[in-house]
Amino acid sequence: NAGVTQTPKFRILKIGQSMTLQCTQDMNHNYMYWYRQDPGMGLKLIYYSVGAGITDKGEVPNGYNVSRSTTEDFPLRLELAAPSQTSVYFCASSYNTDRDSTPYEQYFGPGTRLTVT
Amino acid sequence: AQKVTQAQTEISVVEKEDVTLDCVYETRDTTYYLFWYKQPPSGELVFLIRRNSFDEQNEISGRYSWNFQKSTSSFNFTITASQVVDSAVYFCALSDGYAGGTSYGKLTFGQGTILTVHP
Repeated sequence: NAGVTQTPKFRILKIGQSMTLQCTQDMNHNYMYWYRQDPGMGLKLIYYSVGAGITDKGEVPNGYNVSRSTTEDFPLRLELAAPSQTSVYFCASSYNTDRDSTPYEQYFGPGTRLTVT
Repeated sequence: AQKVTQAQTEISVVEKEDVTLDCVYETRDTTYYLFWYKQPPSGELVFLIRRNSFDEQNEISGRYSWNFQKSTSSFNFTITASQVVDSAVYFCALSDGYAGGTSYGKLTFGQGTILTVHP
């Protein structure tokens, strides 16, 4: 099992450019998440998905978009990059059942370090 | 709104010392889960523990132990006989509540505590 993989590992964008951060998990997890981690801060939730075709906003969704067409993939799209989006981005996944509605541990990818200049 | 506070920004200890990382949380939910994650220098977050708001028993796993006190909204983490490999950033996190429905596992993280263990 590769777990949660993210590409690219590093990226430098110019202001106004667009890009997609890729996230794939091979654990058949139904829940997936995108977080950002600013220097010296904890992680903040950007978007999450509870299954293919279902996504919802987290705490800091502005400037981002997501889609979930398959169970495995959960890409994060930045349309018009701004310096405020300079951060480390983490994708995570977890498995939650309908019978037991409690949150289980999340498995994190290695992160994507994005710089917008 | 939920909030998690880790007041200790950085802690430095010498190997074999015991160290406690504090975590205080705020929530209006009556049922929730608390988590601790470790972020080693490699950057990837590693799950350490999940604790239900109804279960106030302390938990011990090897050199790690956790003290959950609902009365003070605290969920502290102690490392006994610290080792250099324990050097990392440690995050406390709080999930969205699940009373009467499904929790989506949305986590609110604290700012993290940087632990450095010197040989």
